[in-house]
Amino acid sequence: GAVVSQHPSWVICKSGTSVKIECRSLDFQATTMFWYRQFPKQSLMLMATSNEGSKATYEQGVEKDKFLINHASLTLSTLTVTSAHPEDSSFYICSAKTSGRADEQFFGPGTRLTVL
Amino acid sequence: DAKTTQPTSMDCAEGRAANLPCNHSTISGNEYVYWYRQIHSQGPQYIIHGLKNNETNEMASLIITEDRKSSTLILPHATLRDTAVYYCIVWGKGAQKLVFGQGTRLTINP
Repeated sequence: GAVVSQHPSWVICKSGTSVKIECRSLDFQATTMFWYRQFPKQSLMLMATSNEGSKATYEQGVEKDKFLINHASLTLSTLTVTSAHPEDSSFYICSAKTSGRADEQFFGPGTRLTVL
Repeated sequence: DAKTTQPTSMDCAEGRAANLPCNHSTISGNEYVYWYRQIHSQGPQYIIHGLKNNETNEMASLIITEDRKSSTLILPHATLRDTAVYYCIVWGKGAQKLVFGQGTRLTINP
């Protein structure tokens, strides 16, 4: 159990366009979801934490107006990269945890974004 | 959350036990030691976690020293599919964020 999916698995877009990435918890209700970004040969960097029904909390240095996060339901969170530029090209990974299993965090397979 | 220190990289022969060390000398009493791994271009995969007792599951064993300042993840019979970056993370119950360090890049050689 505890499966997290992401869609799309990869996306290529032109500079200046916006891209939406979906994160879904398939068999549990995710009270909290997290978004990470990973550049090549680097570790995962936490971007933001979102609780269902409330505004996301962004880590220092992450632009909230550029990376829009919506956690409208207990099974879905979305990350929209607005006006994407080549430097936003990265591997984006979401994770989720539920209040019932607060000591476990489940990760999605990641979405590779390439901005041309 | 307490900081962890891991070797940057390690090699291990296929079929042998892989022992991955982690130092967490500033760990506090209510913090757990978690291990995740990330195979290339995939999301992190949970391996095991423990508080102070040694733990074993179908993937690995976790040995935590009595003073809890360090731990070792053991993959008993490493296979080529175990090649990945292994992250040791200290995480307190109730803490929101799971923060990743640089991890150990483990390469299993045939």
